[in-house]
Amino acid sequence: EDKVVQSPLSLVVHEGDTVTLNCSYEVTNFRSLLWYKQEKKAPTFLFMLTSSGIEKKSGRLSSILDKKELFSILNITATQTGDSAVYLCAVYAGNMLTFGGGTRLMVKP
Amino acid sequence: EAQVTQNPRYLITVTGKKLTVTCSQNMNHEYMSWYRQDPGLGLRQIYYSMNVEVTDKGDVPEGYKVSRKEKRNFPLILESPSPNQTSLYFCASSSTGVHGYTFGSGTRLTVV
Repeated sequence: EDKVVQSPLSLVVHEGDTVTLNCSYEVTNFRSLLWYKQEKKAPTFLFMLTSSGIEKKSGRLSSILDKKELFSILNITATQTGDSAVYLCAVYAGNMLTFGGGTRLMVKP
Repeated sequence: EAQVTQNPRYLITVTGKKLTVTCSQNMNHEYMSWYRQDPGLGLRQIYYSMNVEVTDKGDVPEGYKVSRKEKRNFPLILESPSPNQTSLYFCASSSTGVHGYTFGSGTRLTVV
């Protein structure tokens, strides 16, 4: 059975801090790893990673995948209160997308 | 605007009364999927479809049915809803699956 585990479960930081969110996986027939941000409603897409060692970057957010060690990290620098959300990691393997339990990030002013 | 549209957004129903949650996408996506989200359990896949008339079970298919008669629509059917199906449901679509899914706004279902 495919498994995706995220850590930490939750995190409280102050504006301006840098955070690192972790995602490890055990799946059969890996095809891609995706990061989503979920605020009050539907998850919104952040990154897709398929190749090891290549960093994806979007503004203050960046992510990298290690296919040998089976994990990915999502970094957020200079956090803002608008970054408060649940961050979801998902792995597309075979024909199914399996989600981790999420990391709840709260950024205090 | 490219989007996935689910209806209704909120629904309260009674045990055993058949219901359908509709899902439609306007992006000509091949792949569509249904998820439920529960506190402490995260997002779990119910059913997915890779094309018209092609559907397959996800992790938690019991008590649900789907159909994919046209590319744009992928309704979720609960023939005899029970209280343990109270949840937040998301429909999602993707061009390839690999590149991730676009999610609808969600349907909050309560079965009493």
